[in-house]
Amino acid sequence: SAVISQKPSRDICQRGTSLTIQCQVDSQVTMMFWYRQQPGQSLTLIATANQGSEATYESGFVIDKFPISRPNLTFSTLTVSNMSPEDSSIYLCSVKDSGGRDEQFFGPGTRLTVL
Amino acid sequence: AQSVAQPEDQVNVAEGNPLTVKCTYSVSGNPYLFWYVQYPNRGLQFLLKYITGDNLVKGSYGFEAEFNKSQTSFHLKKPSALVSDSALYFCAVRASRVGSARQLTFGSGTQLTVLP
Repeated sequence: SAVISQKPSRDICQRGTSLTIQCQVDSQVTMMFWYRQQPGQSLTLIATANQGSEATYESGFVIDKFPISRPNLTFSTLTVSNMSPEDSSIYLCSVKDSGGRDEQFFGPGTRLTVL
Repeated sequence: AQSVAQPEDQVNVAEGNPLTVKCTYSVSGNPYLFWYVQYPNRGLQFLLKYITGDNLVKGSYGFEAEFNKSQTSFHLKKPSALVSDSALYFCAVRASRVGSARQLTFGSGTQLTVLP
């Protein structure tokens, strides 16, 4: 299985600022995703990070608020821009297995608190 | 659109007793079904999956799940619960059909508490 690391693991930020979350995978993967888990809730897909092209955003999420980069097959970043307390969540990076086993793996998450 | 329902927010079971965490799904065509577990302050860990074949699938830590197509269910089970199984469990579905949405859709989660 892929090993996924995220930085930072947690942060406390002020309203109006931005935070960039990094996701590093130990192997090349085709598909990378970013999810949000709001307090006490399930996971919601923000976007699919596409290597070499713009990310594909789900309904309710826009690039201006959540810009995503994917410069290569092992790394991606998610920025949470102009933060408000409603952005306080756990943000998880996820990758889909490239070996045909159709499994999806998740990073440890970044716990964000916006004051 | 695909969806997953986990009807129980909370399941309590005594240690040593069997446990069941319920999941039903809705998807176009044949489903790919998954169970994940989330321990406090940790990411999601993959438990098991159903893609095709045997309706009873076995996964990590002694867990198993039974795919029931007629009832569109994929309940998670374990014959004898451990206190260390206490965690948040998520069921997820993805459509298998080519051209359909390839991302996972998650249920709302079920908090399992195993009482000593």
